[in-house]
Amino acid sequence: EVVLTQSPGTLSLSLGERATLSCRASRSLSTTYLAWYQQKPGQAPRLLIYGTSSRATGIPHRFSGSGSGTDFTLTISRLEPEDFAVYYCQHYGNSRSTFGQGTKVEIK
Amino acid sequence: QVQLQESGPGLVKPSQTLSLICTVSGDSISTGNYFWTWIRQYPGKGLEWIGYIYHSGSTDYNPSLKSRITMSVDTSKNQFSLKLRSVTAADTAVYYCARESYDILTAAYYGLDVWGQGTTVTVSS
Repeated sequence: EVVLTQSPGTLSLSLGERATLSCRASRSLSTTYLAWYQQKPGQAPRLLIYGTSSRATGIPHRFSGSGSGTDFTLTISRLEPEDFAVYYCQHYGNSRSTFGQGTKVEIK
Repeated sequence: QVQLQESGPGLVKPSQTLSLICTVSGDSISTGNYFWTWIRQYPGKGLEWIGYIYHSGSTDYNPSLKSRITMSVDTSKNQFSLKLRSVTAADTAVYYCARESYDILTAAYYGLDVWGQGTTVTVSS
């Protein structure tokens, strides 16, 4: 089973700043099966990125994903008020999914 | 617009069976390359994949839960369901149903693109 480790646990940033979130896998992954989600308090997770770098429907261009092998990154180019939330990476493989433990992006 | 809605008891006694239903609206559960998935989130915020069912009835379950899970699908009602037996306090969580998009022919994966709002299940006597 793939283990996904996200860092940092918490990211304290100001509006307009760039956020860089990391997701490291315990083994090399296909880029096809890596996704990112955003979750706000009291809400279900929302798909942001699939296939490492493809934005889901309706997701703003300030969200971008990249990476390969064991290292994947979610970047938010300029933080907007609605971007302060918890972000999870997810891997789908062997007909099952695993999630990272999440990174909280909070207002500094 | 596809929507998912979980329903079921919010309180289950230890050793009993947790039963949840997810109702799909806005599209047929039988169309497309979708896995109908259950995921839970513990109070400490971690997300755990429970398993999925395809509209044909084929399933795949998390190995750690496999011995206690049964999933089923009712295409006539556009619903799928989860039963988790012999629950303990460790099964207390928010349970989500979700649609997972996967193209079986091309092996392209499009993520968990539609989620229900989640339902809180507490295991307690």
